[in-house]
Amino acid sequence: EVVLTQSPATLSLSPGERATLSCRASQSVRFLSWYQKKPGQAPRLLIYDTSNRATGVPPRFSGSDSGTDFTLTISSLEPEDFAVYYCQQRSKWPPLTFGGGTTVEIK
Amino acid sequence: EVQMVESGGGLIQPGGSLRLSCAVSGFVVSHNYIIWVRQAPGKGLEWVSMIYSDGTTYYADSVKGRFIMSRDISNNIVFLQMDSLRLDDTALYYCARELYGEGIDSWGQGTLVTVSS
Repeated sequence: EVVLTQSPATLSLSPGERATLSCRASQSVRFLSWYQKKPGQAPRLLIYDTSNRATGVPPRFSGSDSGTDFTLTISSLEPEDFAVYYCQQRSKWPPLTFGGGTTVEIK
Repeated sequence: EVQMVESGGGLIQPGGSLRLSCAVSGFVVSHNYIIWVRQAPGKGLEWVSMIYSDGTTYYADSVKGRFIMSRDISNNIVFLQMDSLRLDDTALYYCARELYGEGIDSWGQGTLVTVSS
């Protein structure tokens, strides 16, 4: 099973700041996605296949990787970006796995 | 427009059964990978099950042998039969469409399952 470890657990930032979220895989994966989750809402796909933005996702969201380390970057936080973010892999499964999540909160 | 609408959740005693439904519009379930994902209170997202276009099903170890995923092709509905429910099955259950290498792009709003005596 591929274990995805997200860090930090919580990121306290102000609007306009840059957010850098990490997701480390326990082994190599091909397809890594990122999701935004707000209370009372379904998860929203942001990034798929490491670096591709989903339809309608603003360009301030970007994804990258370095081996088994994956990064979601939000270049300048907007008020609506404060949420929980999850990474997820599908390439080595079952099981399809999610990371534990990173909460981006207002400082 | 793609819509996925879950129903069937509720309060159930340990050991009981529930059947969740996911009514889909905007795409054909039998042509897609459909999954169930759950989120326990205060916890993260957990994959539960998947059905392939050919009808093959896969399950997380935590539900294997207790949950069965199926579909009604004529009505474009996906089901999750949950038996021998346990306290730790308490969660909000989402159905969703998974696009293999392109992520999970469509989600329902979820249906709440509470297992409690």
